[in-house]
Amino acid sequence: NAGVTQTPKFQVLKTGQSMTLQCAQDMNHNSMYWYRQDPGMGLRLIYYSASEGTTDKGEVPNGYNVSRLNKREFSLRLESAAPSQTSVYFCASRRDRDSPLHFGNGTRLTVT
Amino acid sequence: AQTVTQSQPEMSVQEAETVTLSCTYDTSESDYYLFWYKQPPSRQMILVIRQEAYKQQNATENRFSVNFQKAAKSFSLKISDSQLGDAAMYFCALRTGTYKYIFGTGTRLKVLA
Repeated sequence: NAGVTQTPKFQVLKTGQSMTLQCAQDMNHNSMYWYRQDPGMGLRLIYYSASEGTTDKGEVPNGYNVSRLNKREFSLRLESAAPSQTSVYFCASRRDRDSPLHFGNGTRLTVT
Repeated sequence: AQTVTQSQPEMSVQEAETVTLSCTYDTSESDYYLFWYKQPPSRQMILVIRQEAYKQQNATENRFSVNFQKAAKSFSLKISDSQLGDAAMYFCALRTGTYKYIFGTGTRLKVLA
């Protein structure tokens, strides 16, 4: 099983450019998440999707949009990238309430 | 507010020795889960161990065990017989409510040969 697959692995953007980070899971999980990881700050929740067709804001949603395209896929879009969005982005999924999160390998995004 | 605190930014341990990483948390809920994740230099987030709040018995996975003190809201990770491959960032996490997972800021573990 591939688990959680994120693309791309690395990306460099100029300020103001847009891009979409893709995430797909093949474990038939219901819930999916987007986190960002910054040095000294742990992982902070951007958005999550409890189930197909629903999305909710997390701790740091400003500047991002998400789409739960189907049960497998959950994308994160930056409409107008800013240097403050330079970070490592993780997608994760889980089966149910008592399950741990399963993570993708992350995307390192640099905004210049 | 729910919080997770890891007060040790960095720890070192000699190979084959034992080390304990600290984590304290705060939640008003009675039904929650706690996790430890490992992040090696490859950046991958790997589940190490998990603990259900309503279980008194401390979880164990091979060389990894936890000391879960519910009243004190403490959830420390003990690594026995440390190996070079244990060197990584370790994150403590709390599942609170139905969907939210809150992470600590991490502890970097160095293993000395």
